[in-house]
Amino acid sequence: KQEVTQIPAALSVPEGENLVLNCSFTDSAIYNLQWFRQDPGKGLTSLLLIQSSQREQTSGRLNASLDKSSGRSTLYIAASQPGDSATYLCAAYTGTASKLTFGTGTRLQVTL
Amino acid sequence: EPEVTQTPSHQVTQMGQEVILRCVPISNHLYFYWYRQILGQKVEFLVSFYNNEISEKSEIFDDQFSVERPDGSNFTLKIRSTKLEDSAMYFCASRSWDGNTEAFFGQGTRLTVV
Repeated sequence: KQEVTQIPAALSVPEGENLVLNCSFTDSAIYNLQWFRQDPGKGLTSLLLIQSSQREQTSGRLNASLDKSSGRSTLYIAASQPGDSATYLCAAYTGTASKLTFGTGTRLQVTL
Repeated sequence: EPEVTQTPSHQVTQMGQEVILRCVPISNHLYFYWYRQILGQKVEFLVSFYNNEISEKSEIFDDQFSVERPDGSNFTLKIRSTKLEDSAMYFCASRSWDGNTEAFFGQGTRLTVV
């Protein structure tokens, strides 16, 4: 059974810092890995999708990498801003139904 | 841009009542999913649906739950007799046929059972 873990659970950084969020998964037989953002009480906003054949994806200040063999993905956020404050979730696609298994998230606070 | 639409956005129901949560997936998608997120917990898979039948379900998806695609456009989740612990945000998702494509999520229905 796929287990997805995210470290750290919470992170507070001053504005402008670069930061890395970590995600690990136990079953390397994944199709894709996806990073989401969730604001309090809100839905899931897709940030980046990394397909199994890719090693990284970039969108603006965000860069996500995937190492299937070690069961890890990282989300790098450059020059953090207060508007980046949210919970970041990673999720792995596995199984014949390509269902998503989510991590517990990293709650990020970017302070002025 | 096509999107997955869920209704209602909020629903309050009394314990023991039946609820139906509705979703309109993206029109050319073939795989449909329901997930739930209890407040403060992680998003959990409930069920996947393909070719008019359940393709996979979790241990959470017991006999109290059912899914249906009644008219080729809507995808519904029914909870027969709601319990307090069914209070959660429920997310619908859909994706195309290729295993490498992305699942698109609706904005969720917040269900509160009182």
